[in-house]
Amino acid sequence: EPEVTQTPSHQVTQMGQEVILRCVPISNHLYFYWYRQILGQKVEFLVSFYNNEISEKSEIFDDQFSVERPDGSNFTLKIRSTKLEDSAMYFCASSTGIADTQYFGPGTRLTVL
Amino acid sequence: AQSVTQPDIHITVSEGASLELRCNYSYGATPYLFWYVQSPGQGLQLLLKYFSGDTLVQGIKGFEAEFKRSQSSFNLRKPSVHWSDAAEYFCAVGRGGSQGNLIFGKGTKLSVKP
Repeated sequence: EPEVTQTPSHQVTQMGQEVILRCVPISNHLYFYWYRQILGQKVEFLVSFYNNEISEKSEIFDDQFSVERPDGSNFTLKIRSTKLEDSAMYFCASSTGIADTQYFGPGTRLTVL
Repeated sequence: AQSVTQPDIHITVSEGASLELRCNYSYGATPYLFWYVQSPGQGLQLLLKYFSGDTLVQGIKGFEAEFKRSQSSFNLRKPSVHWSDAAEYFCAVGRGGSQGNLIFGKGTKLSVKP
């Protein structure tokens, strides 16, 4: 069964550094998403992406964040200058349509020191 | 604003006992409803979903959920819990239309006693 994959599984970085989290969505899916889960808290929506542009973003997704689909398979989340409060599990998801089931990857645990 | 409430933070049941996890949502239109499960260190796995039609939906691993519009609820049930069901369970609402993001509840952690 096809699945969403994410790399790395765990990323440790220093405050102020840039990080790129990578995701490979399911191949025939058209909508891509990033969510995050701060330890002990709920999963929160960050951004959705369709047709090579952001279709929706939350207030969390400020100018420090960007997303890109650099080729036909990868979907990346970049955090330009990490802060301590960016430490979280970041989940990528994809779906065939805007209202269809979202399938989640295993997540990348980001630790900012 | 749309929201999802899971009133139980932590539930402990004995293996073989029945289970019901509660979920209430706040949304103006008919929502798309989901239950996801997250095992320790793992991602989110879809258990079941409700889009329309029959209000009792069957999912994987023997789980089912019932959509009750009058109560704005989508409770998850399982008749006999297995030790491997110990995990965190998240209820989520999808708004559909042009807004695809999911709104999650805070989750219910399930512990299973032998």
